[in-house]
Amino acid sequence: QSALTQPASVSGSPGQSITISCTGTSSDVGSYNLVSWYQQHPGKAPKLMIYEGSKRPSGVSNRFSGSKSGNTASLTISGLQAEDEADYYCCSYAGSSTFLYVFGTGTKVTVL
Amino acid sequence: QVQLVQSGSELKKPGASVKVSCKASGYTFTSYAMNWVRQAPGQGLEWMGWINTNTGNPTYAQGFTGRFVFSLDTSVSTAYLQISSLKAEDTAVYYCARREDFDAFDIWGQGTMVTVSS
Repeated sequence: QSALTQPASVSGSPGQSITISCTGTSSDVGSYNLVSWYQQHPGKAPKLMIYEGSKRPSGVSNRFSGSKSGNTASLTISGLQAEDEADYYCCSYAGSSTFLYVFGTGTKVTVL
Repeated sequence: QVQLVQSGSELKKPGASVKVSCKASGYTFTSYAMNWVRQAPGQGLEWMGWINTNTGNPTYAQGFTGRFVFSLDTSVSTAYLQISSLKAEDTAVYYCARREDFDAFDIWGQGTMVTVSS
């Protein structure tokens, strides 16, 4: 089982929107609506931002939204802010007992 | 509040063992699965496996069998990760993470840095 593929870096100016892609296969992203997204600031633990593809946990800004098409999930951050600068990881349920979950390769978001 | 608090950083020599603890508070420990995630220096997140907090049954991801053991002490709401025969490539931050019913990790420990060096 390989890691899901994300772009290494994405950047944008304050106020802009950016989208991070997360490409898997028909065995993970394509088979289940169970993609989650995590934000990780340097030296900190990951934080859940999106679950079940497009749902936001309580307390997460509505500037964060998720979607999926086929084997690719996406995270969009609108109205980019300085505090959004972080690493972002997608994660998908994969259904196999030895690979129940697979993470993406991670994307560094830079606010210009 | 709901939180997971992990034990502190460890410096170990190759061949030694280490046991990382993850203490839960603010919720019913046995109501949620506990997962373990590894992050090597400068690298991404890697799912290691999970333990059923009701039955104590562990499931290990491929690549984490043999030297890795998940265990529990439900009397103190604590999960453990033990790694034996440590190698330099085990150097990483290890996170425990609570898994919600919707197959996402909603609460994370602060991470435990394990450094393996002679």
